[in-house]
Amino acid sequence: GQQVMQIPQYQHVQEGEDFTTYCNSSTTLSNIQWYKQRPGGHPVFLIQLVKSGEVKKQKRLTFQFGEAKKNSSLHITATQTTDVGTYFCAGPAGGYQKVTFGIGTKLQVIP
Amino acid sequence: EAQVTQNPRYLITVTGKKLTVTCSQNMNHEYMSWYRQDPGLGLRQIYYSMNVEVTDKGDVPEGYKVSRKEKRNFPLILESPSPNQTSLYFCASSLGLSAGDTQYFGPGTRLTVL
Repeated sequence: GQQVMQIPQYQHVQEGEDFTTYCNSSTTLSNIQWYKQRPGGHPVFLIQLVKSGEVKKQKRLTFQFGEAKKNSSLHITATQTTDVGTYFCAGPAGGYQKVTFGIGTKLQVIP
Repeated sequence: EAQVTQNPRYLITVTGKKLTVTCSQNMNHEYMSWYRQDPGLGLRQIYYSMNVEVTDKGDVPEGYKVSRKEKRNFPLILESPSPNQTSLYFCASSLGLSAGDTQYFGPGTRLTVL
């Protein structure tokens, strides 16, 4: 079945440093979604990418979808303590009805 | 307020004692799903439902049952819970599962099976 790999699993950064998490799928994705889960909270939708090579920005967050639609990345510029949490990528699988999540990247920001 | 609710939020039970975790959404969403979250394993889909009376297995359905008798409700049933089902469970819903559809998650249910 489809696998979605996400790296790194953990990342500690000093406040103000940049952060990137990468997502790789074993199969081509029709779209990819990114979610953020704060400590003790539930996943919250951030963005969806659909087109090959697509780049979207949300303030300090930049999301990219690879040309082959098998990989994606989330880059945070100048991290802040409010960025702390676990970031997940997710893609449809099994005829676009099932959803596969990456294992997530847990980000710690050191003030 | 548009939301997904789950009950209970916390539950400690014993092996073999049947339990149900309820999930309800007020957004008239077609698609509903259950996930379990375990350290190092991320979110894994248990079951999903595309519409009333239409349910299907996700990646880890063993030991679970679901039903979708009404559009808004999607309960998760553990007929005979075992300790390996100790986990954090999330219900989610979305309008559909095509491009542009966001999944909205409930607050989670932390289940401990002794």
